Formats: sequence, structure tokens, C-alpha cells
Amino acid sequence: EVQLVESGGGLVQPGRSLKLSCAASGFTFSNYYMAWVRQAPKKGLEWVATISTSGSRTYYPDSVKGRFTISRDNAKSSLYLQMNSLKSEDTATYYCARQSNWEPSFDYWGQGVMVTVSS
Amino acid sequence: DIVMTQGALPNPVPSGESASITCQSSKSLLHSNGKTYLNWYLQRPGQSPQLLIYWMSTRASGVSDRFSGSGSGTDFTLKISSVEAEDVGVYYCQQFLEYPRTFGGGTKLELK
Repeated sequence: EVQLVESGGGLVQPGRSLKLSCAASGFTFSNYYMAWVRQAPKKGLEWVATISTSGSRTYYPDSVKGRFTISRDNAKSSLYLQMNSLKSEDTATYYCARQSNWEPSFDYWGQGVMVTVSS
Repeated sequence: DIVMTQGALPNPVPSGESASITCQSSKSLLHSNGKTYLNWYLQRPGQSPQLLIYWMSTRASGVSDRFSGSGSGTDFTLKISSVEAEDVGVYYCQQFLEYPRTFGGGTKLELK
């Protein structure tokens, strides 16, 4: 069974940093692109980052480019999101998602972890 | 960036009736390979999103055949036949043609 379990969320002050983790199991992690998607309270979904299987390619929207860094450790089947210079508008639930190899989509999602940026 | 725009539903929808959710993209999602890179997700209350439809009309594994997707390169419809209680939630369309991946704003389905 595919499982994605996020951790590392919490309350952080504006301008500070936070690192999220996602532990994957039930599939060969190194064979899949992975992504982070966030959802601000009572709002819709926003894609945040994607990383290739080896980690050599990463993709970000302009809203987080230069502040967020996605990375992975295939030996540990883990995905990370380093978030720097956090802003109040980064407050959201952050989901780890697997990108399907055959169907261009996010086919599995974690339960999400809440990040609150506030003084 | 490709902008995804979703329509609203005339909520609440009577149980057993059908419901159609629309989505429009600012750019054609038709790839040169002939496939249309449009996905649909459902987020039930308090849950994570789940994939329903990919390539505009292909149901994901385990998804009920009451869900069907259709459309052209820029205009899309998700139809839910015979709406049930488990269909309640927010539906999102998403384009997977290019980066940045973008979602529609969501369409809420409520049951009568």
C-alpha cells in the first residue's frame, strides 16, 4: 500500500525557515517524480514544487522560487521541502504527492501537514 | 501560466440526480501526442485530494463509472451520474501540460 506521511509543520515567525519531510513507503520511491502541493485555509490547491527521480531537476512556481527548495533522499525514501524567508501567505496545509509515471497526474497524496506563519 | 477556471454548481444537488462541473483553460491542453493533459480531483471534507480522471476522460484506478470526463482542448466537463453522499466535496481540475502546474479554483458539490 502506498503511504506518504508528512511531518515538520508548525508555527513559525515571518522571515524564518522551516523544513518539511515526507516519508514514502509501499512503492519504489526512486522511480517516481515527487511534488509538494499546498492549500491555504479555506482556499484551493496550489502546486509548490516538483523534483525528478534523481533530484537533478526541480521545478517551482514564481510564488516560491528562490525561497523554497525541494530535495529527496532515495536511500531513505524521503522527500523534503526547505522553506526560507517565510511569509504569512505561505500559511497552508502542505501535501506530499507522488507523480504517476504513466498517467500525468498526482496519483497519491499524503494526509498533509499544517504550516502557520505568524508573529 | 495556464489559467484554469471552474464553474459553480447549482447546489444542493438532489441525491440520484446528475451533476456536471465545467472547467476552462486559457490555453489548449491538447498535446502533440493526441492526449489532453487535464485531470480531475475530488477532495472530500477533511481529506486529501484524490485523483478521479486523467487525460481528460480516463478514470483512475478504483474510480466509479458514475464519473466521466469529456471536453475539447480548452473546455472540459466532469459529469457525475446519480450523485451519492460519498460524492460530496470540492472538485478541482488541473492542467499537467506544462509548468507551473495549475489548478482550477474548485467546485463544491453539496447533496440535497
